[in-house]
Amino acid sequence: QSVLTQPPSASGTPGQRVTISCSGSSSNIGSNYVYWYQQLPGTAPKLLIYRNNQRPSGVPDRFSGSKSGTSASLAISGLRSEDGANYYCAVWDDSLSGPWVFGGGTKLTVL
Amino acid sequence: ELQLVESGGGLVQPGRSLRLSCAASGFTFGDYAMQWVRQAPGKGLEWVSGISWNSGTTGYADSVKGRFTISRDNAKNSLYLQMNSLRAEDTALYYCAKGEGDSYDYGMDVWGQGTTVTVSS
Repeated sequence: QSVLTQPPSASGTPGQRVTISCSGSSSNIGSNYVYWYQQLPGTAPKLLIYRNNQRPSGVPDRFSGSKSGTSASLAISGLRSEDGANYYCAVWDDSLSGPWVFGGGTKLTVL
Repeated sequence: ELQLVESGGGLVQPGRSLRLSCAASGFTFGDYAMQWVRQAPGKGLEWVSGISWNSGTTGYADSVKGRFTISRDNAKNSLYLQMNSLRAEDTALYYCAKGEGDSYDYGMDVWGQGTTVTVSS
């Protein structure tokens, strides 16, 4: 069981807006920055969102991140077929000796 | 272009050792923390270890503590992971990742393509 809870799957049709949640606790999301990674099939993870809501250069503004209390969300608007991938949230956890924790991942299917 | 290239993976018997390497280019390696993250076949991401820019601070997941050692050589722009007493559950694709800052409590912003470690008799 992951320290961070993500829904195992999500889906949407092209053009739709989808949201992926990441639920944690006061020792991780509640007190530290959240990062989001996209992993396309057979490839390495790619940084999508850093420090809760910042987009690296090159990431389309269709992707956005937010955080409230001990939960975070990744929103993808104007869904495209190439967005089909696994998405992971990650955060530093103050209470653990192995401090970086990842969510279990959400597989996004574009119908 | 910023690049991380892992090497050193392979098939190894339980109880044996393996040393992974990560060659960095395209950025000032010595300014940033580095991390190792692994992914077991068909599974999610698991943080393994991190090291600060000057090797002053290191950290390990409980699952590898006492068996794995992270190190770096800033003169060679290289990151290493010495893995001892390997177990079947260490079988995974191991990624090298650059931190966005000088300590490993910063998130990972660039990832290599990974090197595969298979522990089996």
